[in-house]
Amino acid sequence: GQNIDQPTEMTATEGAIVQINCTYQTSGFNGLFWYQQHAGEAPTFLSYNVLDGLEEKGRFSSFLSRSKGYSYLLLKELQMKDSASYLCAVKDSNYQLIWGAGTKLIIKP
Amino acid sequence: DAGVIQSPRHEVTEMGQEVTLRCKPISGHDYLFWYRQTMMRGLELLIYFNNNVPIDDSGMPEDRFSAKMPNASFSTLKIQPSEPRDSAVYFCASSFQGLDSGNTIYFGEGSWLTVV
Repeated sequence: GQNIDQPTEMTATEGAIVQINCTYQTSGFNGLFWYQQHAGEAPTFLSYNVLDGLEEKGRFSSFLSRSKGYSYLLLKELQMKDSASYLCAVKDSNYQLIWGAGTKLIIKP
Repeated sequence: DAGVIQSPRHEVTEMGQEVTLRCKPISGHDYLFWYRQTMMRGLELLIYFNNNVPIDDSGMPEDRFSAKMPNASFSTLKIQPSEPRDSAVYFCASSFQGLDSGNTIYFGEGSWLTVV
């Protein structure tokens, strides 16, 4: 079967750094997405990784290791507005998106 | 640019009634997706279209669910008859050239459905 694992919930402090992990077991791999979803809103695109390594975009970075079936999203200089759910999604061999259940990130002052 | 537009944003209906959700994808996008999101099951793909043609409807839960895309700028998801377990947020999303090109998908704001 296809499976994506993310922690259910994480808590971090404003101004700090947090790393959200995602491990996957899918039938094939054609890329990995990270989406942010604020409560009551739609998911919005954050990052896309298809090759191993780190992709940096401002305060957010995403890392991929295909051999380990592992990715993480790194958020720096946390702000209160970063409180949201973060969804990991993998494209399988049929280019279908397999979604994780999401990680709810709570930022405390 | 206008994003994916969905209507209604919120709907409360009684069990047994017909529900129709509407979606206008981003202009120029050739793929349209219908998703359902609940706390218990997360995001589930119901069906997707390419150039108005349904490609994969294996995620449609039952015959009570149907989806159409009569033209490139409009799609509907219909539930008839509705049941309380259909209560969820229904997202429409669109993309250009699908996921095999590496392009991302863009979500609408969702339709919040409550069946009582």
